[in-house]
Amino acid sequence: DAKTTQPPSMDCAEGRAANLPCNHSTISGNEYVYWYRQIHSQGPQYIIHGLKNNETNEMASLIITEDRKSSTLILPHATLRDTAVYYCIVRVERETSGSRLTFGEGTQLTVNP
Amino acid sequence: EADIYQTPRYLVIGTGKKITLECSQTMGHDKMYWYQQDPGMELHLIHYSYGVNSTEKGDLSSESTVSRIRTEHFPLTLESARPSHTSQYLCASSVGGLSPLHFGNGTRLTVT
Repeated sequence: DAKTTQPPSMDCAEGRAANLPCNHSTISGNEYVYWYRQIHSQGPQYIIHGLKNNETNEMASLIITEDRKSSTLILPHATLRDTAVYYCIVRVERETSGSRLTFGEGTQLTVNP
Repeated sequence: EADIYQTPRYLVIGTGKKITLECSQTMGHDKMYWYQQDPGMELHLIHYSYGVNSTEKGDLSSESTVSRIRTEHFPLTLESARPSHTSQYLCASSVGGLSPLHFGNGTRLTVT
């Protein structure tokens, strides 16, 4: 699976949009981009995933560049409860090894009042 | 909201004890996973299972063992705990394919 690069930390004001970048320059054509977050002392929580088109759900939007080498997770109106570590992961299903996620160091997002 | 449960939530034990960390899910997922995570660090996959009677070692070497006798249950056992086993252990499950993983809230283990 392709490696991802994220900034170690970001700050955002409450009520503003939080834009979290991720580079995945070695992504291959059949690899999806996934985002998870982990609030302190809890298990990771799935947010959103996509292949090449932009995606939106009730939690966030995912913007993937046309060349797929980078993506941005957007939390449109960040709240204090969005403070967490955000992980960007690229992933492909393999018949022989099953689908496994490799979590890097992620981005610590701090939403300030 | 979570249908995957881990017990105990916190555990403090002495060196040399045998322990089993429990993980159960009620979603009927075939695939289950154990990750290990030290505070502020990455998650490392230590075991996974495709289904009943299927278990595999993950990317990080671990002295623990797992079993999968029932679909809903994926316990992790340490035969003889050591201080180096002190960590958080996270269990997850998924339907399979590219479906998202659902995580439990973890067991924070301290070995004294």
